[in-house]
Amino acid sequence: GAVVSQHPSRVICKSGTSVKIECRSLDFQATTMFWYRQFPKKSLMLMATSNEGSKATYEQGVEKDKFLINHASLTLSTLTVTSAHPEDSSFYICSAREGEAPSYEQYFGPGTRLTVT
Amino acid sequence: AQSVAQPEDQVNVAEGNPLTVKCTYSVSGNPYLFWYVQYPNRGLQFLLKYITGDNLVKGSYGFEAEFNKSQTSFHLKKPSALVSDSALYFCAVTLRAGTYKYIFGTGTRLKVLA
Repeated sequence: GAVVSQHPSRVICKSGTSVKIECRSLDFQATTMFWYRQFPKKSLMLMATSNEGSKATYEQGVEKDKFLINHASLTLSTLTVTSAHPEDSSFYICSAREGEAPSYEQYFGPGTRLTVT
Repeated sequence: AQSVAQPEDQVNVAEGNPLTVKCTYSVSGNPYLFWYVQYPNRGLQFLLKYITGDNLVKGSYGFEAEFNKSQTSFHLKKPSALVSDSALYFCAVTLRAGTYKYIFGTGTRLKVLA
């Protein structure tokens, strides 16, 4: 199956700093990638849909100036958490689809554990 | 509102016994349906999907799921559970039109007892 990687897998940063998380589709091109946030023992919360070459579409309640998304190529999307605070600590997961049709499944990255101290 | 329900937070089953993880949905139209598994501190792994055709779908690791349109359900099953199947399972649906985002269930933790 298709492989999606994330980097880093774990990051600790100080409050007020910014952190960038990379999401790569390793063996396919993805015009659309998704960024999720998962709280402990909870389901995934979609933060935004990232489209190659255009602006991301953010879900209601997600601050676009705080969570910057860039989808610069068909295999790479990045999420930058700006001016991070302890409440931003979470497990962030990206996913990508091989095709545009809704019948295509999403392939998920292994996740990034962010801890803001 | 569109929603997906996984009514059981946790399912316990003895190793070797059949397992069922339930999923029902309430969405407009005929959705596409998916099952994923998540191991601790990992992303989600795709198990199977229903697009059209045969209501019984076979997927990875011996899992299968049965689509029931009248009951709007898509329960995940496995004839013989393994301890290694213990994980968090998510049901997801997408609509055939619109944004194609996943609507996730809340997840069911499966515990297979040796």
